[in-house]
Amino acid sequence: QVRLKESGPGLVKPSETLSLTCTVSNGSIASYHWSWIRQPPGKGLEWIGNVYYNGDTKYNLSLKSRVTISVDTSKNQLSLNLNSLTAADTAMYFCARQRTVTGWLDSWGQGTLVTVSS
Amino acid sequence: SYELTQPPSVSVSPGQTATILCSGDKMGDKFASWYQQRAGQSPLLVIYQDSKRPSGVPDRFSGSNSGNTATLTISGTQPIDDADYYCQAWDKNTAIFGGGTRLTVL
Repeated sequence: QVRLKESGPGLVKPSETLSLTCTVSNGSIASYHWSWIRQPPGKGLEWIGNVYYNGDTKYNLSLKSRVTISVDTSKNQLSLNLNSLTAADTAMYFCARQRTVTGWLDSWGQGTLVTVSS
Repeated sequence: SYELTQPPSVSVSPGQTATILCSGDKMGDKFASWYQQRAGQSPLLVIYQDSKRPSGVPDRFSGSNSGNTATLTISGTQPIDDADYYCQAWDKNTAIFGGGTRLTVL
C-alpha cells in the first residue's frame, strides 16, 4: 500500500513563501499524477494543482499566479511552493495520488497544518 | 467557474439509508468521486467513476450519476459512517470539490 507523508514548517509569516514536501513510500512516483489539496480549519477541500511524474503541471486558476508544484523522481518526492502568503492560506495541506489525468484521488497523506501568522 | 453543491448536513438513524446529493451543471457528463472524512483524519476515497468501490470499502456504499446530480447512498448506515462526505469532479483540468455534507448518524 503506497504511503504519502507531507512535511514542512508549521508556521510561516505573511508575505513569505511556503515550501512543502510529500514523500511517497511503498510505491513509485512514476506513471502517476500527484495532487496537492488544502483544507482551511473547519472548511471544505480545495484542489491546488497536480504534477505528472514527467513534470507536467496543472494549477487551480485561483492560485496559479502563486503556486509551483514539482516532482523529484530520484527522491520519490513532490513539492509545493506557495508565495505571497496571507492568513487565508492557513490550512491543512494534503498530497494525494491521482489515478489518470482527470481521475480519482485514491491515496492521501495525513496532511500537515500550516499557519500563516506573524 | 464550475460549482458542485451539496446539502450542508444529513441525519440518519442507524440501520437506515442515507442519501447525499451533489449537484452541478451536466454533472452526469462527468465522472463523480466521493470521499469520506472522519473527524481529525484525511479524506478516504469511497466511490470513483460514479459507482465503483475501492477495495476495502464496504458494499453498503454505492453511487450513481445522471442529469445534474450525483448521488452517494449508504445502506444500513452504521455509527462509524458518521463523517463529512465530499463529492468531486473535473472541469477543464481542474478538480472541483463540493462543499461537503456532514452526515450525522443518531
